Amino acid sequence: GAGVSQSPSNKVTEKGKDVELRCDPISGHTALYWYRQSLGQGLEFLIYFQGNSAPDKSGLPSDRFSAERTGGSVSTLTIQRTQQEDSAVYLCASSLTTSNPSPLHFGNGTRLTVT
Amino acid sequence: KQEVTQIPAALSVPEGENLVLNCSFTDSAIYNLQWFRQDPGKGLTSLLLIQSSQREQTSGRLNASLDKSSGRSTLYIAASQPGDSATYLCAVRGAGSYQLTFGKGTKLSVIP
Repeated sequence: GAGVSQSPSNKVTEKGKDVELRCDPISGHTALYWYRQSLGQGLEFLIYFQGNSAPDKSGLPSDRFSAERTGGSVSTLTIQRTQQEDSAVYLCASSLTTSNPSPLHFGNGTRLTVT
Repeated sequence: KQEVTQIPAALSVPEGENLVLNCSFTDSAIYNLQWFRQDPGKGLTSLLLIQSSQREQTSGRLNASLDKSSGRSTLYIAASQPGDSATYLCAVRGAGSYQLTFGKGTKLSVIP
């Protein structure tokens, strides 16, 4: 079946521009997560959705970052006024539930480069 | 704050060898521990999930163990193959949390 789909796969933007990253989770998965992977930093948690609500957004690095999820499905991560330090791979994951055992299924990520 | 460490950072073995990857974590109050593999330019693929009440999980040539009290997990790969070459990541979900805390991974190279 279809896995987690992310678009675009690559995005190059100029410093100061806004960008939107999209995630289509596996159908029926209620939980959705955004992570960021930077060189030398490993993966860091950004935000978690259960349905359309975000009970944990503690990983968003600044108020330039926001995310929403609609229809319990597609999610969009928006970065406003991008900075060079925002350059990273942004990974989306979904899981059927948050109860054990419910492993995370990751998309291939969006590589963001801010010039 | 949970910290996850993976040693070694890189490992190179000849094809056919059995090998062990190590993961340690600082807070034993966990909900589960997951092992993933990541191929270059790709996302993460879930390999095994061990619930906090379990000691080990097996899938094919892979066996993962969990010792919560000592804050350790190992991933055992039997009869390694070149296709096993990838970065292996360990991630811990804390009790009462929905976040995964990841280690920085072990980059495995299996030489034909």
